[in-house]
Amino acid sequence: QVQLVESGGGVVQPGRSLRLSCAASGFTFSSYGMHWVRQAPGKGLEWVAVISYDGSSKAYADSVKGRFTISRDNSKNTLDLQMNSLRAEDTAVFYCAKESSVTGTRDGMDVWGQGTTVTVSS
Amino acid sequence: IQLTQSPSSLSASVGDRVTITCRASQGISSYLAWYQQEPGKAPKLLIYDASTLQSGVPSRFSGSGSGTDFTLTISSLQPEDFATYYCQQLNSYPLTFGQGTRLEIK
Repeated sequence: QVQLVESGGGVVQPGRSLRLSCAASGFTFSSYGMHWVRQAPGKGLEWVAVISYDGSSKAYADSVKGRFTISRDNSKNTLDLQMNSLRAEDTAVFYCAKESSVTGTRDGMDVWGQGTTVTVSS
Repeated sequence: IQLTQSPSSLSASVGDRVTITCRASQGISSYLAWYQQEPGKAPKLLIYDASTLQSGVPSRFSGSGSGTDFTLTISSLQPEDFATYYCQQLNSYPLTFGQGTRLEIK
């Protein structure tokens, strides 16, 4: 079945780095744009980043621009998020999500992973 | 683009009809999606393109609107519908979500 599984979360000190991964299965990964969305404890959803189906186009939330980098490996069906210069306010559950349509972002995100928790604390 | 949902929370009973609104700070055509999130779970896509029901979503859910004003309606609440609902604009980056509407059992 269609599935996304995140990994790589953990506890990290402020200023340090962490790399999240998302393993995709059950669909043609290379045909879909992919997103990262996060949710701070007790808060709402915050979109983080997107990468196009072929990796040629990326966009970021202002809150992470210059610190986070989204990437993908279509040969391994994996999506990554490299997070540098982490701050306490980056503490959240991070979800990877698949675009609903091969035509782009505008039909929403129809498959989500279970989330991986990142805690930034000294 | 900022999205403002109202109300922020809502108490209702099984069988009630409820409506949640989402207002965008600028026009977004029909590029709006609605999600349902239960505690401790990932969001679930309910509606996209403002009014298109995602496959497998019960027909008691419906969406409408375009431009800046949108609504999500649940025609007859079921016990499994008590959750938090988010709207999301997909018109331009950065994508944004509304702050959420928590639907609670009265």
